[in-house]
Amino acid sequence: DIVMTQTPLSSPVTLGQPASISCRSSQSLVHSDGNIYLTWLQQRPGQPPRLLIYKNSNRFSGVPDRFSGSGAGTDFTLKITRVEAEDVGVYYCMQAAQFPPTFGQGTKLEIK
Amino acid sequence: EEQLVESGGGLVQPGGSLRLSCAASGLSFSSYWMNWIRQAPGKGLEWVANINEEGSEKKYVDSVKGRFTISRDNAKNSVTLQMNSLRADDTAVYYCGTDKVRGGTVDIWGKGTTVIVSA
Repeated sequence: DIVMTQTPLSSPVTLGQPASISCRSSQSLVHSDGNIYLTWLQQRPGQPPRLLIYKNSNRFSGVPDRFSGSGAGTDFTLKITRVEAEDVGVYYCMQAAQFPPTFGQGTKLEIK
Repeated sequence: EEQLVESGGGLVQPGGSLRLSCAASGLSFSSYWMNWIRQAPGKGLEWVANINEEGSEKKYVDSVKGRFTISRDNAKNSVTLQMNSLRADDTAVYYCGTDKVRGGTVDIWGKGTTVIVSA
């Protein structure tokens, strides 16, 4: 199985400042069809996960443009340009390039 | 509004069985793969199983193979997870989700149903 490793595991951020979360996969996430099946999810406290980014860099409907995803091969990044209070929660990366789909351990974003 | 609602969770003894259901509304259910994902208390996410649009292709994570069965009824807009031989490490919130954007992802999530396996 592909192992997904996120860093940091905890990220205290000042409101209005940028934040960045890294996700590294143990194998390339470039599928044979040419797509990069890397997803970013947000889970607010007490809520189900919510899709932010799919196929590496595609922002899902309704997701604010302060969220962006990028990366290639085995290294991926979720960036938030200006953190807002509602961004507090745990962020997960997930790969579906190879069966079975696997998740990172999660990164807890909190406000300083 | 597109919505998924899980049901069927509860407390069950080790070795017991439980049947989870997920009802879809507001979306063209029969057009999408459906997934079950779980989250143990205080832990991360684990993909459990999925099923294709027609119900002819089913995949499972190794830890549930032979014990869990996924199925769907497109006429009723529902997907089911039959869980047998339950173990303590199956204790989790179980979410159903779909991949409408066909991006190898889960874009619509239910709120989840809680399964507790304990004597």
